[in-house]
Amino acid sequence: ETGVTQTPRHLVMGMTNKKSLKCEQHLGHNAMYWYKQSAKKPLELMFVYSLEERVENNSVPSRFSPECPNSSHLFLHLHTLQPEDSALYLCASSQDVGLGRHFGPGTRLLVL
Amino acid sequence: AQSVTQLGSHVSVSEGALVLLRCNYSSSVPPYLFWYVQYPNQGLQLLLKYTSAATLVKGINDFEAEFKKSETSFHLTKPSAHMSDAAEYFCAVSDREGGSNYKLTFGKGTLLTVNP
Repeated sequence: ETGVTQTPRHLVMGMTNKKSLKCEQHLGHNAMYWYKQSAKKPLELMFVYSLEERVENNSVPSRFSPECPNSSHLFLHLHTLQPEDSALYLCASSQDVGLGRHFGPGTRLLVL
Repeated sequence: AQSVTQLGSHVSVSEGALVLLRCNYSSSVPPYLFWYVQYPNQGLQLLLKYTSAATLVKGINDFEAEFKKSETSFHLTKPSAHMSDAAEYFCAVSDREGGSNYKLTFGKGTLLTVNP
C-alpha cells in the first residue's frame, strides 16, 4: 500500500452506535489530520497530530474522539452521532506542518 | 487571519477550451499556496504548490498556476480541457512563518464541468 489509506470507505450507523474510522499513512510523515467535508462548505479541520501528540482540536464535539497510537496510524472514534454529522471524513498527512497535505480517499459516513 | 476566495462555484468549459479557475487569498505573511483536485468519490489530490520559488508553477496533467503578489491571486489554468478534468478544484493557503504554524485554509471549491 502506498500513500494514505482509510477504512472503511463507506459507513452507515445509527445514532446510538459506536464505530471507528481508521487511517494509515505509508509516507513516513510526522503529522496527521482529520478533516470533515460537508456539501457546500469548505473543508473543516477537526484534529491535528504532530509527532503523535494532539496539537489542535478545532472545537469538535466530544462525540468525536481521535487516537494516534503511532506516527503511521490515526483513528476517529465515533459515538452517539447526529444526522448532521453525515459527511465525508478525510484523513491527511504531511511532513512538517505548514506544507501540502496528502489526503486519503475518505470515509463516507451516513448517520441515520 | 488567512482566507481564500474562489470565484465561481461552478465553471463549465468545452473540451479543448482554456480552463481558468480563480483564486484570491489574503495572508499577513508570504504564503504557501496550493491547488487540489477531487474526483468523484475520492479524496483530494495535490495538483501543484507554490513555495516561494518560481512564480509560475507547473503541476500534473498540464495544469499550471501563477502567483501574483500584487493581485493576491493564484489562478489555475490549463490550455486545453479534457473530459477527464471534470472534478472539483480547491485552492488553499498556508502561512509560511511560525514554527508551529500548520493552518491550511481551503476555499469552498470550484466544480469544473467539461462539455463534449
